[in-house]
Amino acid sequence: DVKVTQSSRYLVKRTGEKVFLECVQDMDHENMFWYRQDPGLGLRLIYFSYDVKMKEKGDIPEGYSVSREKKERFSLILESASTNQTSMYLCASSLAGQGNYGYTFGSGTRLTVV
Amino acid sequence: KQEVTQIPAALSVPEGENLVLNCSFTDSAIYNLQWFRQDPGKGLTSLLLIQSSQREQTSGRLNASLDKSSGRSTLYIAASQPGDSATYLCAVRTSGTYKYIFGTGTRLKVLA
Repeated sequence: DVKVTQSSRYLVKRTGEKVFLECVQDMDHENMFWYRQDPGLGLRLIYFSYDVKMKEKGDIPEGYSVSREKKERFSLILESASTNQTSMYLCASSLAGQGNYGYTFGSGTRLTVV
Repeated sequence: KQEVTQIPAALSVPEGENLVLNCSFTDSAIYNLQWFRQDPGKGLTSLLLIQSSQREQTSGRLNASLDKSSGRSTLYIAASQPGDSATYLCAVRTSGTYKYIFGTGTRLKVLA
């Protein structure tokens, strides 16, 4: 069964810490995405990557960066965690192409910044 | 700019009912539309993917339809069960883009 794996289900970090969220997929997908999900706001795209070392900003990239050194792994980095970054973080991947492919999501990471 | 709306925001039905969840979108130039299920505190599970050239897709008790010209999709759930209780999200991928735009979901509760 194909999988997108997020390394942590729950994380608690302190304000100002540098935080790494990891996502690994085993489907040889070209595209990978990071979303955050908040009540009343839905899913919002933070960053996405369409190839190794390639990235593009999504709708809310401020305070975040990403790294994609290998095709299967896409990391989200919170440079200096703040309480307003407390959220559910969801990673997804998809094949490239003319839009015939959907997303596969990981199980999410619930991050609390205190 | 693509906007996706789901109505109603919440729905409560007795077990065994057939039900319809609605999704509307503003830009009909889409690649495809995907329906997801999300259980509390969990990730999203893909239910059905409809390509822009298709009118409907079926999987078990689920049937999703797409009317691109009117910017609407429906998810039909037959003979609902308590295990169907979850939030259902639709997402649209606009032509020429990599990303999906999500609705805010319909929270479904099926009562035993």
